Amino acid sequence: GAVVSQHPSWVICKSGTSVKIECRSLDFQATTMFWYRQFPKQSLMLMATSNEGSKATYEQGVEKDKFLINHASLTLSTLTVTSAHPEDSSFYICSAREESGGDTGELFFGEGSRLTVL
Amino acid sequence: QKEVEQDPGPLSVPEGAIVSLNCTYSNSAFQYFMWYRQYSRKGPELLMYTYSSGNKEDGRFTAQVDKSSKYISLFIRDSQPSDSATYLCAMSYLLMEAMSYLLSAGKSTFGDGTTLTVKP
Repeated sequence: GAVVSQHPSWVICKSGTSVKIECRSLDFQATTMFWYRQFPKQSLMLMATSNEGSKATYEQGVEKDKFLINHASLTLSTLTVTSAHPEDSSFYICSAREESGGDTGELFFGEGSRLTVL
Repeated sequence: QKEVEQDPGPLSVPEGAIVSLNCTYSNSAFQYFMWYRQYSRKGPELLMYTYSSGNKEDGRFTAQVDKSSKYISLFIRDSQPSDSATYLCAMSYLLMEAMSYLLSAGKSTFGDGTTLTVKP
């Protein structure tokens, strides 16, 4: 199947700093990627839909200025957590859909990035 | 009330057992149903997806959708220790317009996941 790569897989940072997480579709193009947040033993919560060449669409309650999303190419989306605080510590996961003809919505997920803010 | 309800478990079975995982949902507009497997500290991977009602089989896995009852199931036959993971159900809308279809099909609503342990 298609591969989605996330980097870094694990990051620790000090409170107040910014952290950038990359999501790449390695062998397919994706005009749309999705960013999720997952707390321990809880489900994925969609944060935003990342659209190549345009602004991201954020879910209700997600701060746009806090979680900056950039989808500069058909294979790369980045999530930047700005001025990180301990409550931002979580598992962040991206997904992308292969834009092939007849596709009915299969999503490929990245391995996730664990952020710990001290 | 959550749109998608899933018993979090944990569920523990002996190797070789048949496992039944279930989700219920409240929104009758959902048409696309998916099951994901997530190993600890990893991202989810898609196991199966089903459109509308019916059954779908893939090896040891069978997915069932009963739209009249708003109930979906995943069965695992001859369970193996390597099946030990958290299983997430997810469902989404489908719109027929091309661009909207692509965007809305991705906005899946997930269950909380059921943790399964298969003991050797």
